[in-house]
Amino acid sequence: RKEVEQDPGPFNVPEGATVAFNCTYSNSASQSFFWYRQDCRKEPKLLMSVYSSGNEDGRFTAQLNRASQYISLLIRDSKLSDSATYLCVASGSGGYQKVTFGTGTKLQVIP
Amino acid sequence: EPEVTQTPSHQVTQMGQEVILRCVPISNHLYFYWYRQILGQKVEFLVSFYNNEISEKSEIFDDQFSVERPDGSNFTLKIRSTKLEDSAMYFCASSLTSGIDNEQFFGPGTRLTVL
Repeated sequence: RKEVEQDPGPFNVPEGATVAFNCTYSNSASQSFFWYRQDCRKEPKLLMSVYSSGNEDGRFTAQLNRASQYISLLIRDSKLSDSATYLCVASGSGGYQKVTFGTGTKLQVIP
Repeated sequence: EPEVTQTPSHQVTQMGQEVILRCVPISNHLYFYWYRQILGQKVEFLVSFYNNEISEKSEIFDDQFSVERPDGSNFTLKIRSTKLEDSAMYFCASSLTSGIDNEQFFGPGTRLTVL
């Protein structure tokens, strides 16, 4: 089983749509979770940290369910500029510095 | 806004040659990392570095790899004898902390092509 698993997509959604990505992690000792976005052939960029209480940043909402070892990202009112690959990240199982990336979910927002 | 920089942006080398990839982390950050991403695959952790020593490394980071912080600003990754399968994008990252809110900032990457 992959340490961090994501549906690779692609998710093709119209502008203005709401889209949700899911991610599961296998190591229950993981402590920190993040969503990054990666544009084609570019570096990953931090989108947001994920907390059990859930957190929101504008159109983006992230949620963590430790019992189910499940992380989600919700994007509301999708923009063309949201088109990217969204990477789920877990760390802390072997030390906070060692992070494990998922393979990413590709989002394409269509005009 | 401070950023992580990497040089060169693209490195082409012959199999068996040594390469050194360079990174300048964000100036007040204390933790430094190298990752690689083979084309079409996920980002993979290689190594983390703190206080002038390796703090964690993955199984990928074998004896062919080494890291160094030769001065107060640069952080380097050396691959001693490159193999074809070392062809990948190599990302450097840095963070201010290492705790639960370990937010890492990535450089633009060096694309390594081994022929």
